[in-house]
Amino acid sequence: LAKTTQPISMDSYEGQEVNITCSHNNIATNDYITWYQQFPSQGPRFIIQGYKTKVTNEVASLFIPADRKSSTLSLPRVSLSDTAVYYCLVGDRGDSSYKLIFGSGTRLLVRP
Amino acid sequence: GAVVSQHPSWVICKSGTSVKIECRSLDFQATTMFWYRQFPKQSLMLMATSNEGSKATYEQGVEKDKFLINHASLTLSTLTVTSAHPEDSSFYICSASRAEYGYTFGSGTRLTVV
Repeated sequence: LAKTTQPISMDSYEGQEVNITCSHNNIATNDYITWYQQFPSQGPRFIIQGYKTKVTNEVASLFIPADRKSSTLSLPRVSLSDTAVYYCLVGDRGDSSYKLIFGSGTRLLVRP
Repeated sequence: GAVVSQHPSWVICKSGTSVKIECRSLDFQATTMFWYRQFPKQSLMLMATSNEGSKATYEQGVEKDKFLINHASLTLSTLTVTSAHPEDSSFYICSASRAEYGYTFGSGTRLTVV
């Protein structure tokens, strides 16, 4: 069973900020939270990873509250090319044999 | 960064034949690789964990005799779909983990069995 729960789909418009929240109530102490983006017929692509508080890179921000039972991926000013499926996963990145189990993901549609 | 190459990107085969898909870690050694299958509009489903130098570990419901996995070196894992049938048509994706980079995924292989 996936360790995360996300909304199935979201709609947005170009230029808006999009926030996708993921629940991971049973996250373990060693688990990191990682978000991936997947376009049709492509493998998932890494977006951002964090352990606690806030992480920001050139494409997104990740907000993690103190209890770490949820996280929010924030995409600033989305464009049409951000239409994709976004997956939130948790796992022990220090263990290379740790199996990543995917949940349903969130299908984001960005409209003109 | 960590790069995982998957080949071929797509393949069409006749029913009853076997197909081999390769997954290579290009700039790092991967003792463990993972194979996923994805049907249209669905999420990735983990099929098996490929371990270098030992037998693969299959998830429940995945036939090990049908999906043969070989991890002969620290940079190469192969998935062979034996006696393929139309219901095996799917998108197959591999991934590998490197400690400081996390999990990197291949670009996927679209298998169509006719």
